[in-house]
Amino acid sequence: AAGVIQSPRHLIKEKRETATLKCYPIPRHDTVYWYQQGPGQDPQFLISFYEKMQSDKGSIPDRFSAQQFSDYHSELNMSSLELGDSALYFCASSFDVRGRLFFGSGTQLSVL
Amino acid sequence: QKEVEQDPGPLSVPEGAIVSLNCTYSNSAFQYFMWYRQYSRKGPELLMYTYSSGNKEDGRFTAQVDKSSKYISLFIRDSQPSDSATYLCAMSANAGGTSYGKLTFGQGTILTVHP
Repeated sequence: AAGVIQSPRHLIKEKRETATLKCYPIPRHDTVYWYQQGPGQDPQFLISFYEKMQSDKGSIPDRFSAQQFSDYHSELNMSSLELGDSALYFCASSFDVRGRLFFGSGTQLSVL
Repeated sequence: QKEVEQDPGPLSVPEGAIVSLNCTYSNSAFQYFMWYRQYSRKGPELLMYTYSSGNKEDGRFTAQVDKSSKYISLFIRDSQPSDSATYLCAMSANAGGTSYGKLTFGQGTILTVHP
């Protein structure tokens, strides 16, 4: 079965650089969520999109922005990267109202 | 204090044992309750999903939700070495729109099942 695809799997950046993370949801899933998981931490909700519109916002820094495109894939753009942004970034997709989320394998971002 | 509390363990059991994992929560608005399994550096994998109170069984896994006590449990029967992973409880409320997907996770319990 198709799963949520994230790219790249690993990304190394330096402080103050920018990064773009991509997420391709499961086909026919119309809602995308982004989560950040720091080392040894539980995932924290960042932002979500439904039908290409932002639907909810969590603890996402102003330096980050995201959007969902017409083909439902989503991109998380991160600017002025800081050391503390180093984390696993997960994308999840959903298709029904019962709250079942399916997560991708994540992008490991390392900021040096 | 976190909205969702989970004993981080670690928990080490012999193969074939029954494993009990638990979470407590404080937000009475939570309606959707999930258990995820996460292997190292991988995405969380949905194991069990429950809406409101009650029990749900799927193979060797049983999820229980007691909303009156704000307590949820996951039981794993006949545990296998392949069950070794971090188990995360997660829950969400329905405040309209897609808010059900704003999951609040527990800290995760590291489980090791040794042969």
